[in-house]
Amino acid sequence: GAVVSQHPSRVICKSGTSVKIECRSLDFQATTMFWYRQFPKQSLMLMATSNEGSKATYEQGVEKDKFLINHASLTLSTLTVTSAHPEDSSFYICSARDDGGPAKNIQYFGAGTRLSVL
Amino acid sequence: AQKVTQAQTEISVVEKEDVTLDCVYETRDTTYYLFWYKQPPSGELVFLIRRNSFDEQNEISGRYSWNFQKSTSSFNFTITASQVVDSAVYFCALSGSGGSNYKLTFGKGTLLTVNP
Repeated sequence: GAVVSQHPSRVICKSGTSVKIECRSLDFQATTMFWYRQFPKQSLMLMATSNEGSKATYEQGVEKDKFLINHASLTLSTLTVTSAHPEDSSFYICSARDDGGPAKNIQYFGAGTRLSVL
Repeated sequence: AQKVTQAQTEISVVEKEDVTLDCVYETRDTTYYLFWYKQPPSGELVFLIRRNSFDEQNEISGRYSWNFQKSTSSFNFTITASQVVDSAVYFCALSGSGGSNYKLTFGKGTLLTVNP
């Protein structure tokens, strides 16, 4: 149990295009999901908290218009990197917080998306 | 503010050795949760354990064991008889409880390399 699916796993795009990344909790409900960015050999940096049915909460320094988040259901959150530029190239990871049961409040992570902007 | 310190940046051991990964945390919350995650080269973070602040009982799961000591604000992780497949980056993390406090604060991670 507790599987989080993240797609795509790898994206290569041209500068100026938009890229959408999906994060799904497959066997549990997640009112709250999180989006992180990870640079090589560094820890995870929280970008935003995605809340089902309401606006996402962004961390300081993260551009809301650049990184659009939609949490349309209790099992799906999407991150859209708009007008991507080479400096947006990174490893993006999502997590989903289990809403209930013994695993309540544990964050389970997706496999990550490696974005390369040319 | 919450803080997690993993002082060991990299550890290298030979297979079958025991290894302990250190984690020290800071928080003003009375209720909080501690976690360990494993990140193999593939990139996915794998959940290993969660501990709440009211449960100081140590836990063992196979070759893995965790030592939680509130007196020293530490939550150390020991791998017994290490194997090559244990090679990964290990992250210790901390969260509070309620609302936005559920956000995870991560340490910088410890890269464990187990050599055959």
